[in-house]
Amino acid sequence: EVVLTQSPATLSLSPGERATLSCRASQSVRSLLAWYQQKPGQAPRLVIYDASNRATGIPARFSGSGSGTDFTLTISSLEPEDFAVYYCQQRSSWPLTFGGGTTVEIK
Amino acid sequence: EEQLVESGGDLVQPGGSLRLSCAASGFAFSSYAMGWVRQAPGKGLEWVSAISPSGDKTFYADSVKGRFTISRDNSKNALYLQMNSLRAGDTSIYYCAKRGGDGWGAFEVWGQGTLVTVSS
Repeated sequence: EVVLTQSPATLSLSPGERATLSCRASQSVRSLLAWYQQKPGQAPRLVIYDASNRATGIPARFSGSGSGTDFTLTISSLEPEDFAVYYCQQRSSWPLTFGGGTTVEIK
Repeated sequence: EEQLVESGGDLVQPGGSLRLSCAASGFAFSSYAMGWVRQAPGKGLEWVSAISPSGDKTFYADSVKGRFTISRDNSKNALYLQMNSLRAGDTSIYYCAKRGGDGWGAFEVWGQGTLVTVSS
């Protein structure tokens, strides 16, 4: 089973600042990694798929990079609506796995 | 608009059974793989099960293998999760999700979730 480790667990930033979230896989997942955003009381929402592709309707301030075992989600300038929990997920092998999440909170 | 609506969540005793349903609309349901993902209260996301577009291939997390069964009825645009031998650890919000891309893509559309509580 591929274990995904996200860091940091919590990121405290102010609106307008840059957010850099990390996801590390225990073995290569090629580029088959996605990022999801979840706000309290809501279902997750796809942000990035296949490491670097923005999902439909996702603003350009969100970008993803990486391949193999190391991946990054970057939010170039945080908007108030971006404060949420972010999860990475791999689809390279069964079982599908999610990371433990990074909370981006307002400083 | 692509939409998924789950139903069937309830309070059930340990050892009991429950069947979740997911009604799909706004897309060609029979063309897409689907899945279930759950989230225990205050915890992260856990993948549960997946099914191919035709229903001929199914996959399960080890934690539910042998107890849960995923199925679909493409004539009704519906996805199901039959849950047997339920345990307290199965208490979660269960989300139905559509997989994107040409095959087993990321979960690009999610339902609002249905709550399953396993307790005596």
